[in-house]
Amino acid sequence: DGGITQSPKYLFRKEGQNVTLSCEQNLNHDAMYWYRQDPGQGLRLIYYSQIVNDFQKGDIAEGYSVSREKKESFPLTVTSAQKNPTAFYLCASSIRGSGTEAFFGQGTRLTVV
Amino acid sequence: GQQLNQSPQSMFIQEGEDVSMNCTSSSIFNTWLWYKQDPGEGPVLLIALYKAGELTSNGRLTAQFGITRKDSFLNISASIPSDVGIYFCAGSGGGSQGNLIFGKGTKLSVKP
Repeated sequence: DGGITQSPKYLFRKEGQNVTLSCEQNLNHDAMYWYRQDPGQGLRLIYYSQIVNDFQKGDIAEGYSVSREKKESFPLTVTSAQKNPTAFYLCASSIRGSGTEAFFGQGTRLTVV
Repeated sequence: GQQLNQSPQSMFIQEGEDVSMNCTSSSIFNTWLWYKQDPGEGPVLLIALYKAGELTSNGRLTAQFGITRKDSFLNISASIPSDVGIYFCAGSGGGSQGNLIFGKGTKLSVKP
């Protein structure tokens, strides 16, 4: 099945630890995105990548890092520098950037304990 | 920066009723998308609009790209319990401003 897969579904982290969220797509899409969603809020863009080996900061990149070594993979690391990391994280991909239809994974709920 | 206002914030309706929600932007958009999100899941694309004035249907859902290119509307006819969820609009100005901007969502509750 073609799609976008995020793992794990739930993740718990101790304060001060880095954690990496996985995002894989087999849609052959060029562009990939990471969004953060807080209760009652819309989606806020963390990082995006329009091509392999290139990525750009979104609106709330502080405390996060990404890599795009392969077209199908766009992992997100939540670092200890992120002050309020507990949230629902969504990965998406699109054929190309610039406003084309984005398709989402099922999300990862990160909880800091 | 670009801002996108979505209303209403929430709706509580009776099964069978029609639903309308809308989004307005502070600038012109080239693309409008409508998504539905179930609790704990990722948003699912419902309708994509690429042309001013465009009216597109997907089953009981109908969406329109406003003629001014600064707004979009989503209507759901004859609502059913499985319509419950959060509906998001998203828009893009294209070009270097091409990333999607999302509204804060409309939470729909349907009473059987």
